[in-house]
Amino acid sequence: GAGVSQTPSNKVTEKGKYVELRCDPISGHTALYWYRQSLGQGPEFLIYFQGTGAADDSGLPNDRFFAVRPEGSVSTLKIQRTERGDSAVYLCASSLSGQGGTEAFFGQGTRLTVV
Amino acid sequence: DAKTTQPPSMDCAEGRAANLPCNHSTISGNEYVYWYRQIHSQGPQYIIHGLKNNETNEMASLIITEDRKSSTLILPHATLRDTAVYYCIVRGGATNKLIFGTGTLLAVQP
Repeated sequence: GAGVSQTPSNKVTEKGKYVELRCDPISGHTALYWYRQSLGQGPEFLIYFQGTGAADDSGLPNDRFFAVRPEGSVSTLKIQRTERGDSAVYLCASSLSGQGGTEAFFGQGTRLTVV
Repeated sequence: DAKTTQPPSMDCAEGRAANLPCNHSTISGNEYVYWYRQIHSQGPQYIIHGLKNNETNEMASLIITEDRKSSTLILPHATLRDTAVYYCIVRGGATNKLIFGTGTLLAVQP
């Protein structure tokens, strides 16, 4: 596809369960970002990948959150022992490079609901 | 990371120009000014970005003051579909991550 693709679009899970959220960036984009957005708030930075490596994971809220990008393309955000407070829209963005002058494009997000 | 300040909300009449201000007084020399917008239930949409010079594309114009401490996004002929939250972001630093604030809710009135 032409844009950033995120799957699933919606995910409902029970408290305590494990979830995986997938992001397919635009082809050729080396930089990939994950964000979380709660209702009424702006997107909150979680983690940034340059290629396969996590260049900045300072936004991950705790060790229940983990993300991988093993081949430098698709990324998976993993949340263990989900809590109701994890309910939010999780957004992924990619850009051609990590340079400040290259625009980042966002997917439509995955709405996670923990019940 | 530099922070930005935006008014929480603005109104604009349909067909008129919408001018959205942003203050970024702590911006560094190598940091860019980015604008995104977010329509309800959608991911943020890239609008425009600039470093020093004014920029224009098919969506909008970006005016950056000479001291780079503030900027204005201009939508030349606002339509109802431009109703959205507009985010002004300063991007740069080691990882060039986008740090979102609370943005400006622009309401275009018929």
